[in-house]
Amino acid sequence: GESVGLHLPTLSVQEGDNSIINCAYSNSASDYFIWYKQESGKGPQFIIDIRSNMDKRQGQRVTVLLNKTVKHLSLQIAATQPGDSAVYFCAENMGAKETSGSRLTFGEGTQLTVNP
Amino acid sequence: EAGVAQSPRYKIIEKRQSVAFWCNPISGHATLYWYQQILGQGPKLLIQFQNNGVVDDSQLPKDRFSAERLKGVDSTLKIQPAKLEDSAVYLCASSLYGRNTEAFFGQGTRLTVV
Repeated sequence: GESVGLHLPTLSVQEGDNSIINCAYSNSASDYFIWYKQESGKGPQFIIDIRSNMDKRQGQRVTVLLNKTVKHLSLQIAATQPGDSAVYFCAENMGAKETSGSRLTFGEGTQLTVNP
Repeated sequence: EAGVAQSPRYKIIEKRQSVAFWCNPISGHATLYWYQQILGQGPKLLIQFQNNGVVDDSQLPKDRFSAERLKGVDSTLKIQPAKLEDSAVYLCASSLYGRNTEAFFGQGTRLTVV
């Protein structure tokens, strides 16, 4: 299953399928991106990050792809499980100063529902 | 490693009352953030501290919101007086010093203004 973030804020997939969640970011100068997972009643939880000098980064069952040309980020989840059901946010670091840490700006999120 | 601690978890107040939230970041994290998350939206940065100094408070409604981080560790966020539109989850996060560092979030305080 695949979503386009703001245009399709919900994504429903079958257990075991691969999921693709998309995100368009706003600032061409952003050089650091994070995907967060947020379950109901909890704070955002780090999934994976990527720096702008990379196009792809893989973690455990997750892959993030970065296309700087069109300012697009995607999160791929392999063999999606019911425990993956949550809202997924992409965030970009819009901080410009070395001392500013990660000034993260979040997208609106995509609700992923995994059906058993 | 202990995570970011926030209290209280829930708070209900009447409009025009005041409220305060507390955050204890992960030990050793120099940067602390307060975010506001309205239902159905992504978190929005209110204020960012580097140790006990403010780095960015451009989106903080300063006529009613204030925050401090005395001694560069714990932080409090206050709203006075509260409005109905302040109903949201207030998230605290922290990260190590430096650019492009992962921010770890607490569970948040859910504020309901009635």
